[in-house]
Amino acid sequence: EPEVTQTPSHQVTQMGQEVILRCVPISNHLYFYWYRQILGQKVEFLVSFYNNEISEKSEIFDDQFSVERPDGSNFTLKIRSTKLEDSAMYFCASSAHRDRLLAKNIQYFGAGTRLSVL
Amino acid sequence: GENVGLHLPTLSVQEGDNSIINCAYSNSASDYFIWYKQESGKGPQFIIDIRSNMDKRQGQRVTVLLNKTVKHLSLQIAATQPGDSAVYFCAETLGTGFQKLVFGTGTRLLVSP
Repeated sequence: EPEVTQTPSHQVTQMGQEVILRCVPISNHLYFYWYRQILGQKVEFLVSFYNNEISEKSEIFDDQFSVERPDGSNFTLKIRSTKLEDSAMYFCASSAHRDRLLAKNIQYFGAGTRLSVL
Repeated sequence: GENVGLHLPTLSVQEGDNSIINCAYSNSASDYFIWYKQESGKGPQFIIDIRSNMDKRQGQRVTVLLNKTVKHLSLQIAATQPGDSAVYFCAETLGTGFQKLVFGTGTRLLVSP
């Protein structure tokens, strides 16, 4: 069964450093998303991406964040200068199969990258 | 996992019981709802969805009920098994387009053998 894969599973970084979280969405999906889950809190939307551009972003997704689809398979989230409060689990998701009959907004999630900012 | 030791509502049941997990959603304009299961150390896993033009939908061992009047969703799991132990989230969205999901707080389901 196709799945969203994320690497690394755990990233430890120093405050102020840049990190790149990587995701390979499900093949033939068209929409890509990043969410985060701070320990003890809800899963929160960060950004959605379609047709090589951001379609929606939340207040959390400030200038320190960026997303990119550098090739036909990867989707990355970059945090330019990490802060302690960026420590969270980051989930990538994808949805919307190219085949319209399969196109529902069921977002399939990866296992996540745990980001620890020290 | 992400939700260990948190102040989540918890439902404890015996194996074989039926479980009902409730969720209040926030946006009366939401027209598409999804239940996700999250096991420790894993991402949310799709269980079942329902559109706002329905009030009930059944899957394998699971049923989702939607009450738009009071903005309430429930997930019923029949014959609960130890493998059902996880945190369950409801998520709402606008069904048109492929917009963001807004997640609820989550409920921890503990199934005893």
